[in-house]
Amino acid sequence: ETGVTQTPRHLVMGMTNKKSLKCEQHLGHNAMYWYKQSAKKPLELMFVYSLEERVENNSVPSRFSPECPNSSHLFLHLHTLQPEDSALYLCASSQDYFGEQYFGPGTRLTVT
Amino acid sequence: GENVEQHPSTLSVQEGDSAVIKCTYSDSASNYFPWYKQELGKRPQLIIDIRSNVGEKKDQRIAVTLNKTAKHFSLHITETQPEDSAVYFCAARQNMEYGNKLVFGAGTILRVKS
Repeated sequence: ETGVTQTPRHLVMGMTNKKSLKCEQHLGHNAMYWYKQSAKKPLELMFVYSLEERVENNSVPSRFSPECPNSSHLFLHLHTLQPEDSALYLCASSQDYFGEQYFGPGTRLTVT
Repeated sequence: GENVEQHPSTLSVQEGDSAVIKCTYSDSASNYFPWYKQELGKRPQLIIDIRSNVGEKKDQRIAVTLNKTAKHFSLHITETQPEDSAVYFCAARQNMEYGNKLVFGAGTILRVKS
């Protein structure tokens, strides 16, 4: 698959579980993003990485922990989540920190 | 920081009619305004964007207008078709100092009735 891919596409987890979301981009981009999309709310930027360094952290709770091991991969590690964290988590990438963003298909997360 | 308001939240039009979605922003230094279309169960996709040095941009049936003085921009879709039904999001990019931080509107659900 080309473009931006995300796995898993659906995830159900309990509040005490630890899981990770994975994003991979095949576009040769240098910047990657995590967004949270909740019903009836604007897309919320969570984290931004540019050249594998975190450049934005929008006051996200510490139960969300990002990791960017290289410019093609981005992870979001989850632990002790709350039911209100249930949402669609979207990854995006751009050529550089100022470029057009391309989105992945998202991971639908349900916290029980 | 930047705040983006989007209206209406839902819009129903008859096939062939035009649809207009409006957004206002708060940061006068914002300089880039993309529009994304998200079909049900799919990823947001960029459909058109405009930079602050132009007032209008067109791409076939889609156009975007920007009024920097009033700090608002609008998406215009002409000759709407059922496949235009989706959620549309506007966004504004904050001052260049902040790089590519997009602030999104809450979205507009567009329904095109055939």
